[in-house]
Amino acid sequence: GAGVSQSPSNKVTEKGKDVELRCDPISGHTALYWYRQSLGQGLEFLIYFQGNSAPDKSGLPSDRFSAERTGGSVSTLTIQRTQQEDSAVYLCASSLRGEGETQYFGPGTRLLVL
Amino acid sequence: KQEVTQIPAALSVPEGENLVLNCSFTDSAIYNLQWFRQDPGKGLTSLLLIQSSQREQTSGRLNASLDKSSGRSTLYIAASQPGDSATYLCAVYYTGGFKTIFGAGTRLFVKA
Repeated sequence: GAGVSQSPSNKVTEKGKDVELRCDPISGHTALYWYRQSLGQGLEFLIYFQGNSAPDKSGLPSDRFSAERTGGSVSTLTIQRTQQEDSAVYLCASSLRGEGETQYFGPGTRLLVL
Repeated sequence: KQEVTQIPAALSVPEGENLVLNCSFTDSAIYNLQWFRQDPGKGLTSLLLIQSSQREQTSGRLNASLDKSSGRSTLYIAASQPGDSATYLCAVYYTGGFKTIFGAGTRLFVKA
C-alpha cells in the first residue's frame, strides 16, 4: 500500500487477555518502530527493527510485551495478560533505512483494557 | 537521561498570527531533530527534519531552527490558519543508538 497500515484500528479487551496488534510498513522500508502514546502524553519508544539485525527492545515496559517482524516486513506487537495501564494508542512507523531518516506513521491502534 | 520538553503545552491564537513553538533537549549528541504534526485520532505527519549539522529548514509557511549547543529548536509558523490546528511534536534522534525521543507536544488552536 501507499502508507503504513495498522490493524485493528480499535481494540477493546478484558484485563488478563492477550492482544496482538499488526503493522504493515511501507514496501521497501527496512526499519520499523513501535511506539505507545498514552492519553495526554508524548510518544514512548517501545521497539525498533532494522533489516536482519537484532531488534532494539530497550523500550519494552515489561516482559508481557513482545514483538516480531516476519520476513522483514509485517510486524506484530503482542501484549500478554493485559492490564488497564496498557490502555493507549499504539503507533507503528517505518523508514527506508532507519539511521534517523524520516519516519512515516500509521494511524495507530487504540487499545482499551477494561 | 535524555529528555525532550515542549513549551507551551497548549496555545490558542487568532488566524493570521505568526507563532513560535519551542522544543528543548537535554543531550546535545543528537543525529537529527524532526517536527511532526498530529491531528486528533490520527497518526503523525512529518513536517521538517533538521540534521545535526544544519541550522534551519523551511517548508512553505514553516521554518524550523536548531541550536545544538543550547539544546533548543523552534518551529515558526507564519500567517497561521485554522487548518494549522493540531498537536505539534518535536522528536530527537540520538547518536549511539536507534531511539527517537518525543516531546509531549504543543496543542495549537487557530481561531477563525
